[in-house]
Amino acid sequence: QKEVEQDPGPLSVPEGAIVSLNCTYSNSAFQYFMWYRQYSRKGPELLMYTYSSGNKEDGRFTAQVDKSSKYISLFIRDSQPSDSATYLCALYTGGFKTIFGAGTRLFVKA
Amino acid sequence: DAGVIQSPRHEVTEMGQEVTLRCKPISGHNSLFWYRQTMMRGLELLIYFNNNVPIDDSGMPEDRFSAKMPNASFSTLKIQPSEPRDSAVYFCASSNSDRGTGYTFGSGTRLTVV
Repeated sequence: QKEVEQDPGPLSVPEGAIVSLNCTYSNSAFQYFMWYRQYSRKGPELLMYTYSSGNKEDGRFTAQVDKSSKYISLFIRDSQPSDSATYLCALYTGGFKTIFGAGTRLFVKA
Repeated sequence: DAGVIQSPRHEVTEMGQEVTLRCKPISGHNSLFWYRQTMMRGLELLIYFNNNVPIDDSGMPEDRFSAKMPNASFSTLKIQPSEPRDSAVYFCASSNSDRGTGYTFGSGTRLTVV
């Protein structure tokens, strides 16, 4: 079993839709939970991080962590074509090691 | 700040040749990571440096791979000899966090070994 599972998609939605991206994980030792966005032919860039169960909001983006279910989510409200990218969840175990999910490709159609 | 700078952006080489990828981290960042990204395996950590010292190289796939960080502003990843299965995008990332809460990635080097 992989430490982090993420559906690779692709996920295609119309502009303005609410997008839900998810990851599940198996190791309860993960301490910090991050979401990265990667545009085509670019490196991943950090969107948000959180270290506790619950929600964290930043503009149109909301990160949600449920440690009891080992489930993390990223919600994008009022999605825009510029949100089209690959979204990777990332989990930090300590010791400077971060595990990345496979990434979900998102397409937002105008 | 110019961010993490990687060179070259693209590299095409023949099997058996030596390949050297270069990285300049963000000034002041004390941690540097080399990752490899493929469709099949996603992002894989190859090696991690802290204060120029290799801390964890357990992700380096074979002895054909080696990495160095001679100073705080420069690192190299070398593959010798290269093989077609090494074809991937190689990313360098740096961080000043000791909690893994956010790396800054370079734009990557797309390596093709034919």
